[in-house]
Amino acid sequence: DIQMTQSPSALSASVGDRITITCRASQSISRSLNWYQQKPGKAPELLIYSTSSLHGGVPLRFSGSGSGTDFTLTITSLQPEDVATYYCHQSFGNPWTFGQGTKVEIK
Amino acid sequence: EVRLVESGGDLVQPGGSLRLSCAASGFTFTNYAMAWVRQAPGKGLEWVSSVTGTGGSTFYTDSVKGRFTIFRDNSRNTVYLHMNSLRAEDTALYYCAKYLAVSGTSPYCLESWGQGTLVAVSS
Repeated sequence: DIQMTQSPSALSASVGDRITITCRASQSISRSLNWYQQKPGKAPELLIYSTSSLHGGVPLRFSGSGSGTDFTLTITSLQPEDVATYYCHQSFGNPWTFGQGTKVEIK
Repeated sequence: EVRLVESGGDLVQPGGSLRLSCAASGFTFTNYAMAWVRQAPGKGLEWVSSVTGTGGSTFYTDSVKGRFTIFRDNSRNTVYLHMNSLRAEDTALYYCAKYLAVSGTSPYCLESWGQGTLVAVSS
């Protein structure tokens, strides 16, 4: 199975800060990397697919990059509504696997 | 608007069986693969199973192979997860999710999610 490792596991930042979450795959997954946002008590929502394509309605402050084994999710100006846990997800190999999540809080 | 409504979650004893349902609306159901993803209490997401639009192909994570069966009824716009030989480690909130792209095409990711149905396995 392809292991997905996110870092950090949690972070606390101020409103307006730029934050970056990293996701590393245990083997190359090309660009088959997706990001989901899960707010407390809610179902996950698709943010970014295929490494860098923004899903409809997602604010432009979110962006993704990477290829192969190393990927990043960036929020350029953190907003209070971005408080959530973020998961990366590889759809390159079967079984699909998720990272363990990164919990983002406001300082 | 895409809507996915799961049902069927319950408290069940180890070794028991359960069938989850996910009623879909707001899109052409037969055109899209569907998936089940679970989340144990306080834990992360785990993909469980997927089924193609026609139902002709199914996929499972190793821990549920031989115990769980995914199938769909396209006439009812519903996807199911039949779970046998349930274990304590199957305790989780089970989400139904719709693929972003039409069946058989990329990108492979989950665009819409239901609110989940809770399965608790305990004696």
